Amino acid sequence: AQKVTQAQTEISVVEKEDVTLDCVYETRDTTYYLFWYKQPPSGELVFLIRRNSFDEQNEISGRYSWNFQKSTSSFNFTITASQVVDSAVYFCALSVTALIFGKGTTLSVSS
Amino acid sequence: EPEVTQTPSHQVTQMGQEVILRCVPISNHLYFYWYRQILGQKVEFLVSFYNNEISEKSEIFDDQFSVERPDGSNFTLKIRSTKLEDSAMYFCASRAGRSSGANVLTFGAGSRLTVL
Repeated sequence: AQKVTQAQTEISVVEKEDVTLDCVYETRDTTYYLFWYKQPPSGELVFLIRRNSFDEQNEISGRYSWNFQKSTSSFNFTITASQVVDSAVYFCALSVTALIFGKGTTLSVSS
Repeated sequence: EPEVTQTPSHQVTQMGQEVILRCVPISNHLYFYWYRQILGQKVEFLVSFYNNEISEKSEIFDDQFSVERPDGSNFTLKIRSTKLEDSAMYFCASRAGRSSGANVLTFGAGSRLTVL
């Protein structure tokens, strides 16, 4: 069975701080995909990134970066120089067949 | 940009009533999904649908629930005899392609169901 754990329920930072959202996953499959989705206060689910299990290269997109480590089954997400608009719930998700979400981390960025 | 559309955006119903939530997936997508998010909780997988049949379902998706693609464009979730605990946001999603895990799901904006 697949499982995603996001141990941080809520994180509060001040604008311009860096913040890392942790994600640990469990699966027995060797082929799988990892995702991060953002859910802003408006409620929609916005895709951020997908990684496959064979590609451990870290990725940077603007202020966002992702650190995938198979050895620790982690797929952490870092926001550099956070902004108020980053305030949202962030979900890590794992897909072998169906997409399974973690419980989410609520990020609050204050000015 | 193509999008998944869901109707209604909000529905209020009495306990015991039947509800149908509608979704129009992206037109060239082949795989369709329903997810549920109880307020303040995580997004939970309900069911996936491909080639006019259910391909996978979770424990949540019991006999109370059914899905249908009645006309080649709409994808519906029916909840028979709603219960208070069915109150949630229901998200429809679709994806293209055959690789089951790889493709990115595009989610609709959700339908909020309130059962009184």
